[in-house]
Amino acid sequence: SAVISQKPSRDICQRGTSLTIQCQVDSQVTMMFWYRQQPGQSLTLIATANQGSEATYESGFVIDKFPISRPNLTFSTLTVSNMSPEDSSIYLCSVEILGTARYYNEQFFGPGTRLTVL
Amino acid sequence: DAKTTQPTSMDCAEGRAANLPCNHSTISGNEYVYWYRQIHSQGPQYIIHGLKNNETNEMASLIITEDRKSSTLILPHATLRDTAVYYCIVRVGTGANNLFFGTGTRLTVIP
Repeated sequence: SAVISQKPSRDICQRGTSLTIQCQVDSQVTMMFWYRQQPGQSLTLIATANQGSEATYESGFVIDKFPISRPNLTFSTLTVSNMSPEDSSIYLCSVEILGTARYYNEQFFGPGTRLTVL
Repeated sequence: DAKTTQPTSMDCAEGRAANLPCNHSTISGNEYVYWYRQIHSQGPQYIIHGLKNNETNEMASLIITEDRKSSTLILPHATLRDTAVYYCIVRVGTGANNLFFGTGTRLTVIP
């Protein structure tokens, strides 16, 4: 299994500012992901955070708006840039554990960061 | 695109078995059925997954029909802490770009 922590757990920000969310995993993992969950909605994948290279973004998400860093196998950051009220969401970090029979392709999620943009 | 359909909501009496259905009629031969749940204000939690055979673990049982076009997640003795949104997902391989969370079923366990 994997234990994932995120900082901050919640924040209230002003329009036009940026917020960087940190994700820390207690073990080295190959694959890390960032999701967004807007109020009352399901989860939407933003991007795959690749260690040592640029993140891979899903349709509708761009690097200028959501820059991602992945300096090593246990840590990643997601920045929400030039925020607007529409960015108010829960942002979740996730990792995938591979290779063991019990946990084949199992994904673990962090507790999320609840962002409110005024 | 959603590959699964689930009821929007269900109620279950505390102590009873909760049976959550999922239809996945277009499932491919190499796709697994995964179940996750999301308790309010928390990240999703893995429950169970299976390919063809029924599976059981400490949390739940997964019953997959012989044609694999539908499945049922069973919580044998539902408790109030099982109140959550339950997501049925079909996926193959690795990578989150095929872990698509649909709208799920909101299960409410009633005292």
